[in-house]
Amino acid sequence: KQEVTQIPAALSVPEGENLVLNCSFTDSAIYNLQWFRQDPGKGLTSLLLIQSSQREQTSGRLNASLDKSSGRSTLYIAASQPGDSATYLCAVYTGTASKLTFGTGTRLQVTL
Amino acid sequence: KAGVTQTPRYLIKTRGQQVTLSCSPISGHRSVSWYQQTPGQGLQFLFEYFSETQRNKGNFPGRFSGRQFSNSRSEMNVSTLELGDSALYLCASSLEVAGLAGELFFGEGSRLTVL
Repeated sequence: KQEVTQIPAALSVPEGENLVLNCSFTDSAIYNLQWFRQDPGKGLTSLLLIQSSQREQTSGRLNASLDKSSGRSTLYIAASQPGDSATYLCAVYTGTASKLTFGTGTRLQVTL
Repeated sequence: KAGVTQTPRYLIKTRGQQVTLSCSPISGHRSVSWYQQTPGQGLQFLFEYFSETQRNKGNFPGRFSGRQFSNSRSEMNVSTLELGDSALYLCASSLEVAGLAGELFFGEGSRLTVL
């Protein structure tokens, strides 16, 4: 059974800092991994999708890496801004289970 | 391009009632999946539909059901509501079978409160 864990559960940083969010998964037989952000009471917004054959994806100040063999992904946010404050979730699509499994999320607060 | 639309956004029901939630995917997307989000359990997969066929189902009781129409719109139904069914129900659409190749796009969700 696929299990996805995100560390830390919560993080508070001052504006301008670079930060790293971690995601680990137990079953490395994944098709892809996707990072989302969720604002309070809202749906999920897709940030980056990494296919199993890829090592990383970049979008603006965001960079996500994937190490399938070790079951890890990291989301790097450069020059954080207050608008980045949200909960960040990673999710993996596992072929054996044919479903998306979400991590527990990291609640990020960027302060002025 | 319109995003994923879920209706209603908020609803309050009492125990024992039933509820139907609707999801309209992004135009051209044939896969629709449903998730339940609660503070205690996080995001849990309910089921996925592709071209009107249920492709996958999560570990939820038979009170939870769904369907997809020929225009890819989907509905989910929960019968005999329990207090524990209170949650944010999220719908997502993608071009392929969920996650297999395509990116998932989520709606704003339907927040169900069961009293």
